[in-house]
Amino acid sequence: DAGITQSPRHKVTETGTPVTLRCHQTENHRYMYWYRQDPGHGLRLIHYSYGVKDTDKGEVSDGYSVSRSKTEDFLLTLESATSSQTSVYFCAISGGRDVDTEAFFGQGTRLTVV
Amino acid sequence: LAKTTQPISMDSYEGQEVNITCSHNNIATNDYITWYQQFPSQGPRFIIQGYKTKVTNEVASLFIPADRKSSTLSLPRVSLSDTAVYYCLVSGSARQLTFGSGTQLTVLP
Repeated sequence: DAGITQSPRHKVTETGTPVTLRCHQTENHRYMYWYRQDPGHGLRLIHYSYGVKDTDKGEVSDGYSVSRSKTEDFLLTLESATSSQTSVYFCAISGGRDVDTEAFFGQGTRLTVV
Repeated sequence: LAKTTQPISMDSYEGQEVNITCSHNNIATNDYITWYQQFPSQGPRFIIQGYKTKVTNEVASLFIPADRKSSTLSLPRVSLSDTAVYYCLVSGSARQLTFGSGTQLTVLP
C-alpha cells in the first residue's frame, strides 16, 4: 500500500467546534486531495494541493480550509463543524509515477458532528 | 473538466464477463481515462488507465473507441469479490481528480 496515513480514523465532535484532519504521505507525491463521501454518493472533491503552499478549491469547499506547509502533510480544517459535515473523509495522493493520474487513497476518517 | 456518465448499477453472475461503459463526450485531447474500484469502508483503488484503443492488465481491459467519447471497462469472469463501486475518471493531469457517482456492480452467485 502507498504510504498514506490519515488521522484520526474516527472522531466525534460537537457542532461549532473546530476540527482538523491530517493526511500524511511518505511517497513524496506532488498532488494531495481531500474528498468526502456520504452514503449512496460518490466521492466529492473538497480541496486539493499541487505543491507546498499551492492549494485550490474543489466541488464542495464551503466550510473547509486546507493547508500544506510540507510536501508530506495536507491538513483539512473545519473551522466550525456542522452536522452536514458528518461524513467519511478520504485523502489521496498522486503524481509520483509514470501513470499520469493514478491516485492512492488513505483508509478514511469517519467524522461525526453531533 | 470532462463530465462522465455511467450506469448507476449493474448485476451479474459469477463467471460472466462484465462490461461497464462510461460516456465522456467533452473529453479533451490531453485527457486520460482512468477506472477505480471501491469496496465499502475503503478508499478507491486504481484498476486501469488508457488514452486510446485497448489496454489490458492482469485484472481488466479498457476499450476506448477512436472518438474517445466513451470507454468500456471489461472484467472477465467476475467473482463475488468483484462486487464494488466502479468509477470512471477523465483528466488531463494529476490535478483536479473529480469522481462521478460510479456504478455499483453486484455479482450474484
